[in-house]
Amino acid sequence: EAQVTQNPRYLITVTGKKLTVTCSQNMNHEYMSWYRQDPGLGLRQIYYSMNVEVTDKGDVPEGYKVSRKEKRNFPLILESPSPNQTSLYFCASGRGEAYNEQFFGPGTRLTVL
Amino acid sequence: TQLLEQSPQFLSIQEGENLTVYCNSSSVFSSLQWYRQEPGEGPVLLVTVVTGGEVKKLKRLTFQFGDARKDSSLHITAAQPGDTGLYLCAGEEIYGTYKYIFGTGTRLKVLA
Repeated sequence: EAQVTQNPRYLITVTGKKLTVTCSQNMNHEYMSWYRQDPGLGLRQIYYSMNVEVTDKGDVPEGYKVSRKEKRNFPLILESPSPNQTSLYFCASGRGEAYNEQFFGPGTRLTVL
Repeated sequence: TQLLEQSPQFLSIQEGENLTVYCNSSSVFSSLQWYRQEPGEGPVLLVTVVTGGEVKKLKRLTFQFGDARKDSSLHITAAQPGDTGLYLCAGEEIYGTYKYIFGTGTRLKVLA
């Protein structure tokens, strides 16, 4: 089954404790991206990667890092999480062609205490 | 950063009614997508519009891209309970950059 998977689905952590949210897609997509979704603010793009060689910042990259060492994986790293990073996170992938359709994962709900 | 404003934010209607959701910006987008998101899931693409004035139909859903490519609308005819969900518009700032701006969403509830 073609899908985008994220792990973990739920995570409660404490301020300053480094964490990684994994994202993997099995559709051989070039494009991958991370978003956060907050009430009243919609989805905001954190980072995106057009291919394994190119990664760029979205609208809200502060406090996040990403890595695209291979096509299928695009982990999101929070080196020192803070409470304002409590949010619902979505990973997405796409073929990277014209008018790119994005396929979203099921989401990771993160709470930083 | 370009902004996409959606209206209304919330909409509760009876089965069989028609409705329109709007997505507006002061800036031009190269393309605009509409997604639907259900609780506990990620958004799912409904349609992409790319040409000013373009109209696309998906069964009872009609999508229109404004002539100036600054706004879009989603019209649902004879809404059904299965249409319930969060509707999101998303614009690509510059063609081919894969930088997307999402609207704040319209939460639709269709009552049986």
